[in-house]
Amino acid sequence: AQSVTQPDIHITVSEGASLELRCNYSYGATPYLFWYVQSPGQGLQLLLKYFSGDTLVQGIKGFEAEFKRSQSSFNLRKPSVHWSDAAEYFCAVGAGYGGSQGNLIFGKGTKLSVKP
Amino acid sequence: KAGVTQTPRYLIKTRGQQVTLSCSPISGHRSVSWYQQTPGQGLQFLFEYFSETQRNKGNFPGRFSGRQFSNSRSEMNVSTLELGDSALYLCASSLEGAWDLGEQFFGPGTRLTVL
Repeated sequence: AQSVTQPDIHITVSEGASLELRCNYSYGATPYLFWYVQSPGQGLQLLLKYFSGDTLVQGIKGFEAEFKRSQSSFNLRKPSVHWSDAAEYFCAVGAGYGGSQGNLIFGKGTKLSVKP
Repeated sequence: KAGVTQTPRYLIKTRGQQVTLSCSPISGHRSVSWYQQTPGQGLQFLFEYFSETQRNKGNFPGRFSGRQFSNSRSEMNVSTLELGDSALYLCASSLEGAWDLGEQFFGPGTRLTVL
């Protein structure tokens, strides 16, 4: 069965420091992978996605993620964290093979706190 | 372009009651998916509707149901509410529901509290 694991429940980084959020997935075929961010009281916003091609994908707000098939990972990175990045981050895999599959399988999320 | 809207934003019900939540997708989007978010279980897929038909369903009991109208607006209904149904219910819309045809856009959610 498809699954997504985010090993870190809570991470605290200092403002200006680099960030890496880990994500591992279990999926039988080529996955569609996503990172979403959720601020308190808000819905989810897509940061970036990977479907195929270049394994390093760039997203909004200065985020990037690297797909590593051999490690079944899709880690999210940012070189310099801003206080406004404090939020909860979710990794997700799109179930199915594209086409008529509308569901995402989410990890449990990583809450990011930013120290001034 | 207006985003995904969900009504009501907050709802308080008592056990045994039923509730209906509404979702208006982005104009032109034909796929609507529903998710339940709880602290314990995280985000879980409920179902997806496309062109008024349920196309995909998660692992939830039959008390959870939904429908989609011809204008793509969707409602979900939960009957015989239980305390464990307290959650944030998120709706997401996309053009076709296929990953390579566009992303899902999420609404702000409806916070349901069951007393």
